[in-house]
Amino acid sequence: DAGITQSPRYKITETGRQVTLMCHQTWSHSYMFWYRQDLGHGLRLIYYSAAADITDKGEVPDGYVVSRSKTENFPLTLESATRSQTSVYFCASRERGTDTQYFGPGTRLTVL
Amino acid sequence: ELKVEQNPLFLSMQEGKNYTIYCNYSTTSDRLYWYRQDPGKSLESLFVLLSNGAVKQEGRLMASLDTKARLSTLHITAAVHDLSATYFCAVYHDMRFGAGTRLTVKP
Repeated sequence: DAGITQSPRYKITETGRQVTLMCHQTWSHSYMFWYRQDLGHGLRLIYYSAAADITDKGEVPDGYVVSRSKTENFPLTLESATRSQTSVYFCASRERGTDTQYFGPGTRLTVL
Repeated sequence: ELKVEQNPLFLSMQEGKNYTIYCNYSTTSDRLYWYRQDPGKSLESLFVLLSNGAVKQEGRLMASLDTKARLSTLHITAAVHDLSATYFCAVYHDMRFGAGTRLTVKP
């Protein structure tokens, strides 16, 4: 499928477990982003990447790890999930030199 | 620390009425974005405002940017039910989002 996809769409896990959320885009956009959305906070940037093998922290990076070995993939890992990481996670991408971000459908993560 | 404040956070309008959503931010930025989100859905880009005085219009929505006042507005003209959604502004610096304005348009 063309565009930006996320998997899984829904995930329930337990405190302390490792969880990886996947993001895949077919446009070969240079930039990719991970956000979390919580009621009352809008979206908050977790990490972003300007190209393969280049990542940087956003506003709320603690407890998360990212990697970008290929341009089209940008996985987000919660190394030891906590209840405060229960949220909806959105991945987005943007081509270098442009301003429009395209968002994925989101992953709803619940940590019990 | 950069703050992005939207108001109102909740807005209930009657169809046919006009209203404005405000987005204030606390640091210098020459780029501001507006997004729409329908319940349970992802975000859709509405406007990208790239300079002071920028104005963009799409249908019943018009967005403007005043970088000196650190203020952007999203004006709704003659609201219709289909505009019911949550609207977010975001400042390019650190891609910081406002908390969102939940708009409900009633017949």
